[in-house]
Order: sequence, then structure tokens, then C-alpha cells
Amino acid sequence: AQKITQTQPGMFVQEKEAVTLDCTYDTSDPSYGLFWYKQPSSGEMIFLIYQGSYDQQNATEGRYSLNFQKARKSANLVISASQLGDSAMYFCAMSNQAGTALIFGKGTTLSVSS
Amino acid sequence: GAVVSQHPSRVICKSGTSVKIECRSLDFQATTMFWYRQFPKKSLMLMATSNEGSKATYEQGVEKDKFLINHASLTLSTLTVTSAHPEDSSFYICSARVTSGSDTDTQYFGPGTRLTVL
Repeated sequence: AQKITQTQPGMFVQEKEAVTLDCTYDTSDPSYGLFWYKQPSSGEMIFLIYQGSYDQQNATEGRYSLNFQKARKSANLVISASQLGDSAMYFCAMSNQAGTALIFGKGTTLSVSS
Repeated sequence: GAVVSQHPSRVICKSGTSVKIECRSLDFQATTMFWYRQFPKKSLMLMATSNEGSKATYEQGVEKDKFLINHASLTLSTLTVTSAHPEDSSFYICSARVTSGSDTDTQYFGPGTRLTVL
């Protein structure tokens, strides 16, 4: 069975510092995709970054990067230079085959202080 | 990224009534859309997979007669909560999967619908 584990219920960071949100996954499929979404208090789910299981390089999108360690089955999200607006819930998710729904972790609440 | 809209954003209804929620992909065609439910401070739980032109696939434990899903076109899926009860109060959120272009297989989410049943 597929599973996503986020072990940090909450994380605190100061503005301009970098923060890493942990995510580990479990799947027996050789082909899968890993996603990170941000959910602010408004409720919308904002797509941040994607990593394919066969991608050789770690994905990056602006201040977001995904530290993909396939052997460890981890896909940690790194946010550089945190901003107050980064305060939100962050979800790690996985899709195993094209077309399947996402399996979500329990989420990590990130709080950025000035 | 692709845009998915959802309507209404909030709805309050009386117990026993039915509520329809629309999910639209605005700038792409989506043969597959997904409906999730989220309780406060919890993760998203998949309710069903909506397939254009065919019946939806429901997750175990989700009543298909209570949560009716229709995906009549490549840009629209609807979720109807029939005979709503207070325990149906929740945040319902849909997503649509991109099937072409640089972000193929990425799922984009609608802004969600907060349902309150009195």
C-alpha cells in the first residue's frame, strides 16, 4: 500500500531563515510522482513543486526545492529565505500511476515569525 | 499553473436539503477530476474519482447515493450532497489533472467549498 508520512505536526522559523519540511513515502511502484502543496488559512491548495521518480535532478521552483533521496524514500521540501506569507499548512503527496488520485500526508503547520 | 474554479465557496443549508457543488477547469480539459473532503486541521480524504463520460469511482466508505458525482463535460464535474445532515458539514475540495504540457499529471485544486448543514 502507498503511504506518505509527515512527522512534524508544526515547525517554527524566523523570517529569512531556511526551513526543511520532512516527508517520507512508501510504495512498491517503480513510477510515481511526489508533490508539495501549501494550504493557507483560506483553504485553497496551492501547488508548489513536483518530483518524478525517474527525475535525475532535484526539483526547484524559486525559493522551493525538493530534496529527493530515492534510496531513503524521502522527499523533503526546503524553503529558503522564509517569509511571513509562508505561514501555512504544507502537505506532501504522492501519485503512483498517471491518473490516480493523490495520497496525502497529515501535513505540517509552518509558522514564520519576524 | 492551470486554474480550477469551484462554486459556491460557502454554503449553508437546512438538514434534509440537497446541495450541488461545481468544479471547473478553466484553461484546460480534464478527463479526470477528484473530490476530497477535509475536516478542520486534518488532511484531505479522497471521496471519489470523477471520470468524464463514465461513472465515478468511489472510495470505500463513501455512500455513492448520498454523494452524487456527474462529469458531463471535459471541464465540469459536480458533486451533489443529497439529503444533507449536520455530519456532512465539511470542507469539500476538488482537483483536476493536467494531461498535456509541461505539467502533465500535476493536479490543480479548486479553492474549496465550505458546507455547513444546520
